[in-house]
Order: sequence, then structure tokens, then C-alpha cells
Amino acid sequence: DQQVKQNSPSLSVQEGRISILNCDYTNSMFDYFLWYKKYPAEGPTFLISISSIKDKNEDGRFTVFLNKSAKHLSLHIVPSQPGDSAVYFCAASAAGNNRKLIWGLGTSLAVNP
Amino acid sequence: GAGVSQSPSNKVTEKGKDVELRCDPISGHTALYWYRQSLGQGLEFLIYFQGNSAPDKSGLPSDRFSAERTGGSVSTLTIQRTQQEDSAVYLCASSRTARRVEAFFGQGTRLTVV
Repeated sequence: DQQVKQNSPSLSVQEGRISILNCDYTNSMFDYFLWYKKYPAEGPTFLISISSIKDKNEDGRFTVFLNKSAKHLSLHIVPSQPGDSAVYFCAASAAGNNRKLIWGLGTSLAVNP
Repeated sequence: GAGVSQSPSNKVTEKGKDVELRCDPISGHTALYWYRQSLGQGLEFLIYFQGNSAPDKSGLPSDRFSAERTGGSVSTLTIQRTQQEDSAVYLCASSRTARRVEAFFGQGTRLTVV
């Protein structure tokens, strides 16, 4: 049973436009959500996170929005750049002493020049 | 070190052989995690270390899998009598403490069992 779902396997956008990557979750015990970026043959790289007590977190071109009632979060990248082309993973963590991450299957983003 | 280091980068092994995968976490990070990503799957939690102890081994798929951590630093994931379904990318991550959510990943070890 997939607790974190990324329903779009791929997304293609034009350079300079906004990229919106979506993520849904089912476990109401999750209190932290993270986005990671992954290039081929590399490990995931942390991008941005959001606590469940917030609804928005912004870091440069990256903004994550959280809608707790809908159990939905999204990552906005604006403006998108060709170097943003990668697989983006949504991950979630529940409160406790062990911050293991539960992952979505990823969305492959292609930013076209 | 500057980042999480894993070795080897790639490992091809014959079915039935044992393999050891190594992880060097970021210096000073007390929490260490092993994940794996099988083809077409998301990352799957395997085991968590706090210091040298492993309070959560719930993700290990069978008793052929074991891991240890020594000196609060290097960790080794051992797979005995490898099977083809063990083929995956094995990723190690560390974080400053288990309460810090953001974990930093190594480049992974791609294991292929033939």
C-alpha cells in the first residue's frame, strides 16, 4: 500500500515556465515532508522540506505547498531551468525517534530549452 | 568526509554468493539509514542506526540481510546467499541526529545478481 503517491511519472515544461510536481499521502501521522532531486547514477539530493504545521515553505526558485486537509503537497519551480531536469521524489516522515523516510515513486521532469 | 561515500559503486555477483556493501557517513552524523531502490520502485527503507545500535530493522526483507555499524561511523550491509530479486541500488544516508529530517545520501551501490 503506497503511503506516498506521485501520480505523474513524467512532466515536460519549457525553460522559464513554472514546473509543478504533485504528491499525495495517506498517513495522517506524517509531520514532515521533503522533496529530493535525483540525477542518474547519483544519490538523491535534498531540496526543500516542510513541517505539517506550515502550509508553505520557500527557498529561492523552489516553493513547497502543503494542504493537510487534502493530504496533498506540491513543489513549484519557477523559473524552470534545463539543469532542473531530474527525477523528483516526494518523501514523508512521521514523528518519533527514527526519522526514516517513506518515498513516492518519483516524477521525471524534463525542462526543454 | 565531505559527503556520504559508498563502495563499491557497482557490484555484479553470482546467485548464492554473499556480498558486503560499505557506507562511510558524513563525519559526526549519528543517524545512518540504508534504503534500496529496485527497478521501477520507490526507495524502500531497510534499517536505521543510531550510533552503533540498530533500533529499527523493520525494513530488512529477509534474514539473509544484516547490517552493522562500528565506531559510530562506517556501516556494512551484508546480503547472504544473494538472489536475483536482491538486484537493486542500495543507498546509504546519514543525518546529524535522528531528529533531523533532512538526510544526505551517498551515490549508491548498484547490485546485480546474475
